[in-house]
Amino acid sequence: SQQGEEDPQALSIQEGENATMNCSYKTSINNLQWYRQNSGRGLVHLILIRSNEREKHSGRLRVTLDTSKKSSSLLITASRAADTASYFCATAKGGADGLTFGKGTHLIIQP
Amino acid sequence: KAGVTQTPRYLIKTRGQQVTLSCSPISGHRSVSWYQQTPGQGLQFLFEYFSETQRNKGNFPGRFSGRQFSNSRSEMNVSTLELGDSALYLCASTDLAGELFFGEGSRLTVL
Repeated sequence: SQQGEEDPQALSIQEGENATMNCSYKTSINNLQWYRQNSGRGLVHLILIRSNEREKHSGRLRVTLDTSKKSSSLLITASRAADTASYFCATAKGGADGLTFGKGTHLIIQP
Repeated sequence: KAGVTQTPRYLIKTRGQQVTLSCSPISGHRSVSWYQQTPGQGLQFLFEYFSETQRNKGNFPGRFSGRQFSNSRSEMNVSTLELGDSALYLCASTDLAGELFFGEGSRLTVL
């Protein structure tokens, strides 16, 4: 079963605009990770945020985590056409448990 | 450093057959996990191996099995294939920080 639920399911914006995707989850976590997937390809790790962190930055990416609301958001600033992809959040409970992925947000950046 | 390598990239099988997929992790990574991705169910955790031992298994029938060798390479096997096994099978190796590095996947089509 899916732990993370991304919102929206699909998002289309103009190049240069900011894109925000949200993720909600159900149980306590050790960390939350965001991945990008280009059509039919493997997943690329974007950023990992631990349960004791509230915000993390990496280049044009900003991730927030609110453990009280069991939610996270991914902000991509100054979007580019190359950012067109599906974005997944994944939660890790720790130990040997695998990641539990949401169904993803399909982001389209229009030139 | 070479990434995660999965072979074959594409394959077509018929119902009732079996299939073996291979994954070579990033050098030095001892943990390998497998995920199934389908349009309907999304990304689902299959199993994880560490030092040749299966540490965790997702909610899949016994037809799905795997193993890991002493060089950390891993294989997964699906026996008695069903149409619903058609999917992208993704392998990932994990670094010490818990970040997953995914291969490009093996796309299995069952006819």
